[in-house]
Amino acid sequence: EAGVAQSPRYKIIEKRQSVAFWCNPISGHATLYWYQQILGQGPKLLIQFQNNGVVDDSQLPKDRFSAERLKGVDSTLKIQPAKLEDSAVYLCASSSDRWGNTEAFFGQGTRLTVV
Amino acid sequence: KQEVTQIPAALSVPEGENLVLNCSFTDSAIYNLQWFRQDPGKGLTSLLLIQSSQREQTSGRLNASLDKSSGRSTLYIAASQPGDSATYLCAVRGNYGQNFVFGPGTRLSVLP
Repeated sequence: EAGVAQSPRYKIIEKRQSVAFWCNPISGHATLYWYQQILGQGPKLLIQFQNNGVVDDSQLPKDRFSAERLKGVDSTLKIQPAKLEDSAVYLCASSSDRWGNTEAFFGQGTRLTVV
Repeated sequence: KQEVTQIPAALSVPEGENLVLNCSFTDSAIYNLQWFRQDPGKGLTSLLLIQSSQREQTSGRLNASLDKSSGRSTLYIAASQPGDSATYLCAVRGNYGQNFVFGPGTRLSVLP
């Protein structure tokens, strides 16, 4: 089966600009996650969707970050305006969460550099 | 709040050695634990998933164990190879449907 697809792979923007990332999860996976991974650290959850509803966005900086999953399939994460500290890899993951199958699969990530 | 730590932060071994990576978590009420591998500049590859009711899982040269009561998991790699060089991350899920909390990872280098 196809894996989790993310685009773009790399993005360089100036501070205060806006940027958007796209994720297409594995077909049929109900749960979608966005994680932020700063260099040398483990991934940190930004937002979790179950179908098209938000399950957890407690760590999402809502003054500048937004995410949507309108039809319960693909998702977009936006940053506006970007800050230097937003430089990180943004990882999208999905899991089936059906019949107890909770294994998570990750995309290749989008490396964001804010200058 | 669940916290996950991994020891050591980095490890360098000669090829052929057996090695153990450690993962500790503060809240033993977990649903499952998953080990991942991350190559530089890449995403995460799932290695093993252990349900809370299981004690261990095996895949090839990898064996992961889980001791929920003590809040620990270990990843055992047998007969290490240079291709095993990567960062290894563990992640725990508190309840069915919750997100994964990650450790900081162990950076492994296997020298030929």
